[in-house]
Amino acid sequence: RKEVEQDPGPFNVPEGATVAFNCTYSNSASQSFFWYRQDCRKEPKLLMSVYSSGNEDGRFTAQLNRASQYISLLIRDSKLSDSATYLCVVPSTASKLTFGTGTRLQVTL
Amino acid sequence: DTEVTQTPKHLVMGMTNKKSLKCEQHMGHRAMYWYKQKAKKPPELMFVYSYEKLSINESVPSRFSPECPNSSLLNLHLHALQPEDSALYLCASSPGSGSGRDTQYFGPGTRLTVL
Repeated sequence: RKEVEQDPGPFNVPEGATVAFNCTYSNSASQSFFWYRQDCRKEPKLLMSVYSSGNEDGRFTAQLNRASQYISLLIRDSKLSDSATYLCVVPSTASKLTFGTGTRLQVTL
Repeated sequence: DTEVTQTPKHLVMGMTNKKSLKCEQHMGHRAMYWYKQKAKKPPELMFVYSYEKLSINESVPSRFSPECPNSSLLNLHLHALQPEDSALYLCASSPGSGSGRDTQYFGPGTRLTVL
């Protein structure tokens, strides 16, 4: 199993739709998890941190399932501006992050 | 303020040139990072500085030479690069608590083209 695995997509959804991405990780000892958003030719920007069972911020909800070793990101009421690549990130050591390959989201009119 | 700045934004260099990339943060972070990112791939870690000391070198070729003059600055010196080194070079910083919960904040990157 890869350290961090994501479906690369692309996910093409209409505006207003709800979309969910899953990310699986192999290190059962991992304690923290991150979702970053990366626009084309820009830097990754932190979207959400997950330390316990989940986190919610407006239209975005992250859920952690430790038993199955996956993290999900749910986006409700998708906007055109949500179009980006979403990176699942899991620390492999105190200072080293392991990135998933990213899931590309395209929101259309 | 969660800003990491990088200069230059774009750099074109020949294989015999020597150039430097610069990164700065004023968040009081004690860990700083260099990543390389190719198109449609996730960032790849190159170097980690913790409290101004090099703590991780991911077997990066010696044509890349990092330097951390102080806790706010990080440089990447480039010499005799190859065309395959063309990529987006990202700098990041984090508090450096060692807890594994630190968030890394990325700069906007330097887009490097090696001719």
